[in-house]
Amino acid sequence: DARVTQTPRHKVTEMGQEVTMRCQPILGHNTVFWYRQTMMQGLELLAYFRNRAPLDDSGMPKDRFSAEMPDATLATLKIQPSEPRDSAVYFCASGPRGGAYEQYFGPGTRLTVT
Amino acid sequence: AQKVTQAQTEISVVEKEDVTLDCVYETRDTTYYLFWYKQPPSGELVFLIRRNSFDEQNEISGRYSWNFQKSTSSFNFTITASQVVDSAVYFCALSNTGGFKTIFGAGTRLFVKA
Repeated sequence: DARVTQTPRHKVTEMGQEVTMRCQPILGHNTVFWYRQTMMQGLELLAYFRNRAPLDDSGMPKDRFSAEMPDATLATLKIQPSEPRDSAVYFCASGPRGGAYEQYFGPGTRLTVT
Repeated sequence: AQKVTQAQTEISVVEKEDVTLDCVYETRDTTYYLFWYKQPPSGELVFLIRRNSFDEQNEISGRYSWNFQKSTSSFNFTITASQVVDSAVYFCALSNTGGFKTIFGAGTRLFVKA
């Protein structure tokens, strides 16, 4: 049963620290998405990769967030420096064909910035 | 601009009742895709269904059914004979032909009481 995996599942950090979240997409999927979920804003798309190339990251605060896909089995989302307003659940999702098709979500990383 | 509206924030039903979750969407595209996802208490979003804009046939899968009506821009989801395990947040989503930007509704939290 193939699944998207995310690490860590929970992260508590102090304001100003760097945070790195990792995602392993389902093998064979060529699209990867990063989402952020908060009570106030709901689910927001942060970044999108197809065949490891970033196609859109307009949803991310560019000055502090960065997303990369160093290889087909790893996607990373970094926040530096972190701020309390970054506290949220960050989901990674992968898909077999593109955003017009179903996405398979990981369990999420719950980030708390104090 | 694309938009997905789920006007029902929370719904509470007693087990075995039927329940319909409403979804209204806005888009200028003639080709688009609609989705429903389930987010159980564990947190991971689970894909339920995908429809394209040219296929208005209703679909039934077990106790789940979906009613797509382009005339009213609605894609409603009905659970027949609800069960406690159906308790979750349900999201309706819309994707355009470019395919990478999926817009999620705010979600409807369904409580099914025994």
